[in-house]
Amino acid sequence: GEDVEQSLFLSVREGDSSVINCTYTDSSSTYLYWYKQEPGAGLQLLTYIFSNMDMKQDQRLTVLLNKKDKHLSLRIADTQTGDSAIYFCAESRDGGSQGNLIFGKGTKLSVKP
Amino acid sequence: DSGVTQTPKHLITATGQRVTLRCSPRSGDLSVYWYQQSLDQGLQFLIQYYNGEERAKGNILERFSAQQFPDLHSELNLSSLELGDSALYFCASGNLRNTEAFFGQGTRLTVV
Repeated sequence: GEDVEQSLFLSVREGDSSVINCTYTDSSSTYLYWYKQEPGAGLQLLTYIFSNMDMKQDQRLTVLLNKKDKHLSLRIADTQTGDSAIYFCAESRDGGSQGNLIFGKGTKLSVKP
Repeated sequence: DSGVTQTPKHLITATGQRVTLRCSPRSGDLSVYWYQQSLDQGLQFLIQYYNGEERAKGNILERFSAQQFPDLHSELNLSSLELGDSALYFCASGNLRNTEAFFGQGTRLTVV
């Protein structure tokens, strides 16, 4: 298909790990991104991974990339209530234009105390 | 704070009207990207300008147009507005050498 796909909702308990999954479509995508959007706010870039990498770790965030299956995941360790937000996966289809992104519909993460 | 400024934050207007949304990119960024976020379509790339020139076009309607001025700020013009144009419009800025684009807080447009 044409779309970047994500599950719409995820609910976890505070202190647990959260794993948000995404499938993308264009095997030639150069970069894959995770953005966070809190209520009433803009999009905040969390992390990105270059397409020739399998994994990237940044503090509590771990990104895994499976190019064969076109699957991307974001793991948040020790999830906190402040992590409650919508998380968007995005792919860059124009290798020279990192802002021309195709976004998924977003996964709403709810963190219960 | 991403350094990208969008004005106004909120806008309410009637069907058939025309509005202009404004974006000031981060200092030093030459690219400006416009996105539309609506409930049914999600986040969609509309258009990109680089140093005053149109560089890429996404799902932008013919009723919409944009430009980037010599001082690098950009305006998105939406005309003959319809109820379905109600959405959050984001501007992002970046540089072709960067790996990321920085998003503004958005302009929420409500068409009544």
